[in-house]
Order: sequence, then C-alpha cells, then structure tokens
Amino acid sequence: DAGVIQSPRHEVTEMGQEVTLRCKPISGHNSLFWYRQTMMRGLELLIYFNNNVPIDDSGMPEDRFSAKMPNASFSTLKIQPSEPRDSAVYFCASSLGVAGLYEQYFGPGTRLTVT
Amino acid sequence: KNEVEQSPQNLTAQEGEFITINCSYSVGISALHWLQQHPGGGIVSLFMLSSGKKKHGRLIATINIQEKHSSLHITASHPRDSAVYICAVSGNNDMRFGAGTRLTVKP
Repeated sequence: DAGVIQSPRHEVTEMGQEVTLRCKPISGHNSLFWYRQTMMRGLELLIYFNNNVPIDDSGMPEDRFSAKMPNASFSTLKIQPSEPRDSAVYFCASSLGVAGLYEQYFGPGTRLTVT
Repeated sequence: KNEVEQSPQNLTAQEGEFITINCSYSVGISALHWLQQHPGGGIVSLFMLSSGKKKHGRLIATINIQEKHSSLHITASHPRDSAVYICAVSGNNDMRFGAGTRLTVKP
C-alpha cells in the first residue's frame, strides 16, 4: 500500500483565496483525521471522520474551515477565505478504527503558506 | 497547564547513550501514543499502548496508568535517532499532543 497520500505537498496562496487540501487514506481504514501543526501550538486535531461521517469537529478553528469525506477513499479540507495565520503544516492520518483504539498512519503533510 | 506534558523539551546525547523521554497526562485516556517526527517533517507512529510495556528493536515504551505517566527509552542511541518525539493521548474521539522532545544524538 502507498500509505496515506496528501496533495498538494506545498501550497502558497494569497490572503483571501480558497485553499483545498486533499487526502487519500489507506485502503480499508475507516477512520480519518485532519491535524494542523504550527510552531506555536504544535499538533492539533481539527476533525475526525469514522465511516465517512464527521464524529468530532470541535477542533475546527472557525467557519472558514470545512472538511468533507464523500467516500471511503477521499477527503478534503477547505479554507475559505484563507488568512496568514492559517499558515501551517496540515497532516491527514488514517486508522483501522475509532480514535484511541488503533494506531494512526500519517500522510506526508501539506505545507501551507498564506501571504 | 497542558493536558499532556513532556520532558525534557530538548535533549542532546552522545552516540551509544541510553535515553529516556517522559510524558505525563492529566485526562482519562483510551491509549497513549509515541510518535517520531524526522527533520523532513514526516510523522511515524512508534507505539500505541494502554498498559504495561512494549518493545521494538532499541525502543521501549512503558506506561503507568495509575500515575498517568509514560516513558520512551532508546537504548544504544544512534545519530539516526535524532528527531522530535511526540507523546499523544487519545480518548474515544480525540487526540491531544505534547509539545514534543527534540532529540539530537551526536556521533
């Protein structure tokens, strides 16, 4: 298996633009997680899907952020409009089951820079 | 106070030394995870444990549920072990992370 796939790996955009980050989880995994990592705050869980359904989105910072999982093999994290403080590395991870009970496998991350 | 505290923040060791990184948490958990993040940025899960001890090669992780404390040990450290080690705790629906320990192993 290729592991968790994220695209793009790097994204540079101007403030106010829409940004879409993409994730393909490992085949057979039914849980998917979006994380954000910054120097100031470290790693933070943004949202968690189980069987394509959002279970916990309490970490989503504000309405500018939205995430979808239309099927078991694809998820998107969208920021609209983007702001400089959204600059971070965004990781997607997947696991075989519910959070806390199964090992998570991380994608390589998308480094987002908003100017 | 953070819910997950790691110590030390930074650690420099000579090749061959025995290394210990500590993690304390203040919330109820289903499991504790040790992650490794290399300078390139990729994150790898090293261990997930809810009791006792696990060993993989030169790495050993222990957890004491009553004391809400875990340790990650590296025996015979090597420069390739240089990375940031992150402790995370998970409940049913969430993951909370420590700030990480930056380890540098010098040859």
